[in-house]
Amino acid sequence: DADVTQTPRNRITKTGKRIMLECSQTKGHDRMYWYRQDPGLGLRLIYYSFDVKDINKGEISDGYSVSRQAQAKFSLSLESAIPNQTALYFCATTEGFSTDTQYFGPGTRLTVL
Amino acid sequence: AQSVAQPEDQVNVAEGNPLTVKCTYSVSGNPYLFWYVQYPNRGLQFLLKYITGDNLVKGSYGFEAEFNKSQTSFHLKKPSALVSDSALYFCAVRERNTGNQFYFGTGTSLTVIP
Repeated sequence: DADVTQTPRNRITKTGKRIMLECSQTKGHDRMYWYRQDPGLGLRLIYYSFDVKDINKGEISDGYSVSRQAQAKFSLSLESAIPNQTALYFCATTEGFSTDTQYFGPGTRLTVL
Repeated sequence: AQSVAQPEDQVNVAEGNPLTVKCTYSVSGNPYLFWYVQYPNRGLQFLLKYITGDNLVKGSYGFEAEFNKSQTSFHLKKPSALVSDSALYFCAVRERNTGNQFYFGTGTSLTVIP
């Protein structure tokens, strides 16, 4: 898990605030992903990136934006946080090969009041 | 649409007994199949995957999974459960041709009772 780090690990914020969650990886992977986890819903894909110039929307991208600052860094922003964005957020990386697994960060628990 | 189903939200099993966590999928083609485990306050950890070949795949911590193409299932199994196996388990699939995204099930909470 130390290969993929996320900051902060916990964050409490208020409705309307802008929040940035950061992800860094030392695995040298090109592909990075942001998911949110909600009880009973599993993991849902927010955004993914195949390289610095390639950003793709996932299943639930509304209300979120991302920035791929470098191969190793992929940030998720909530432009104006709302309470239903309260969730556990995970960053993940994978190599380009279809057979490869994903490697997950430890998660960021976000609470929007 | 691609989907992964884990029909049981919760599975309870006595320590020492065999365990099964079920997963079925609906994905075009012949996808790659994965199992992950999540312990409290941790990210998901890879357990095992099916790519091709033998339908019975062995993974970490004594877990194995059986791929059944006709039933589009990939059930996770372990012959003898440990209390430390208590965790949240996720099944996931990845399309064989593009491999762009992973599709996850909703998770199954496994409790092993001492």
